[in-house]
Amino acid sequence: EAGVAQSPRYKIIEKRQSVAFWCNPISGHATLYWYQQILGQGPKLLIQFQNNGVVDDSQLPKDRFSAERLKGVDSTLKIQPAKLEDSAVYLCASSLGFRGDGDTQYFGPGTRLTVL
Amino acid sequence: DARTTQPPSMDCAEGRAANLPCNHSTISGNEYVYWYRQIHSQGPQYIIHGLKNNETNEMASLIITEDRKSSTLILPHATLRDTAVYYCTSSRNAGNMLTFGGGTRLMVKP
Repeated sequence: EAGVAQSPRYKIIEKRQSVAFWCNPISGHATLYWYQQILGQGPKLLIQFQNNGVVDDSQLPKDRFSAERLKGVDSTLKIQPAKLEDSAVYLCASSLGFRGDGDTQYFGPGTRLTVL
Repeated sequence: DARTTQPPSMDCAEGRAANLPCNHSTISGNEYVYWYRQIHSQGPQYIIHGLKNNETNEMASLIITEDRKSSTLILPHATLRDTAVYYCTSSRNAGNMLTFGGGTRLMVKP
């Protein structure tokens, strides 16, 4: 079974530029998450989608970050304009979307963003 | 606002059991405890999860105290490839969102 796919794996941009990340979840997974992981810290949730609807985006800096999951499958996360403090690994995760016996999230390899 | 606390680092001899503790005294009765690990430059890898009962799979065992205030992840025979940061997390009631703390950096030594 294919895992969560993310691209690109690495991105270097200058501050004030824009950048977009792409995520393809595990087939059949209704829930998709974007996390930000700053070096030396645990991942922090930015936004959660259930199918193509937003469940929680309370920690998404909406003045510069946006995310969409138009057809309920792939998702993109965009930063515009980027700041130095946005340098981090951006992780995408997906889960089936029902609690049952828990709802395990599976993570992709992440995109490492460096803002100069 | 991590809801779990873990020691920042631990060492373990290769071939011995690694016992990683986690305190989660504030989680609610219907919240699951999840364990992930992260090897450098990779995404977090799911290990195991549980609610009340002890759990075992091919990777590890999870021991949850009866009062659910703490748990221990056991890697029965640690290998050098188990060197990683181990995260104990819990899911919030709504939406299954995970809140990660700083994790435990486990170093397995020859």
